[in-house]
Amino acid sequence: DAGVIQSPRHEVTEMGQEVTLRCKPISGHNSLFWYRQTMMRGLELLIYFNNNVPIDDSGMPEDRFSAKMPNASFSTLKIQPSEPRDSAVYFCASGSRLATDTQYFGPGTRLTVL
Amino acid sequence: GENVEQHPSTLSVQEGDSAVIKCTYSDSASNYFPWYKQELGKGPQLIIDIRSNVGEKKDQRIAVTLNKTAKHFSLHITETQPEDSAVYFCAANNFGNEKLTFGTGTRLTIIP
Repeated sequence: DAGVIQSPRHEVTEMGQEVTLRCKPISGHNSLFWYRQTMMRGLELLIYFNNNVPIDDSGMPEDRFSAKMPNASFSTLKIQPSEPRDSAVYFCASGSRLATDTQYFGPGTRLTVL
Repeated sequence: GENVEQHPSTLSVQEGDSAVIKCTYSDSASNYFPWYKQELGKGPQLIIDIRSNVGEKKDQRIAVTLNKTAKHFSLHITETQPEDSAVYFCAANNFGNEKLTFGTGTRLTIIP
């Protein structure tokens, strides 16, 4: 299995621009998680989906952030407009609640907002 | 909700010696405790996990112990090697949902 796939791996953008991060979960997994990692705040859960439905978005910092999961094999995290404080590494993880609570992480997207 | 504390934040160990990282959790209903290893520029990778129905689990040079009464669990790495250098995160599940609460991480450095 290819594991969780994220794109792009690096993104540099200017303040005010729209940013879209993409994730392809492991085939057969029915849960998908978006995390943000910074030195100051560590790993923060932003939102998670189960069977393509958003279950908990309490970690989404503000309305500038939105996430979608149109089908079982694809999810996006969008930031519009982006701000310098959004600079972080964003991880997607997937899991299968039927088997275990284990989450498998992708390689991450390093976002820099200038 | 669950709260996970992890110690120490940094740990330096001579190659060949053992390393121990400790975590405590707050919710007695938590029943799943994974450990992740994160190397520079990569995502966290699961290295071992334990469920609350067992007290210890081993996989080659790594082991995890769980004390449900005290609500703490530990990662033990024996015969450390340079490739063990990384940041290690503990986590605990939130009973009733699929969320994991992560510790703040331990930066482990193996000194050759």
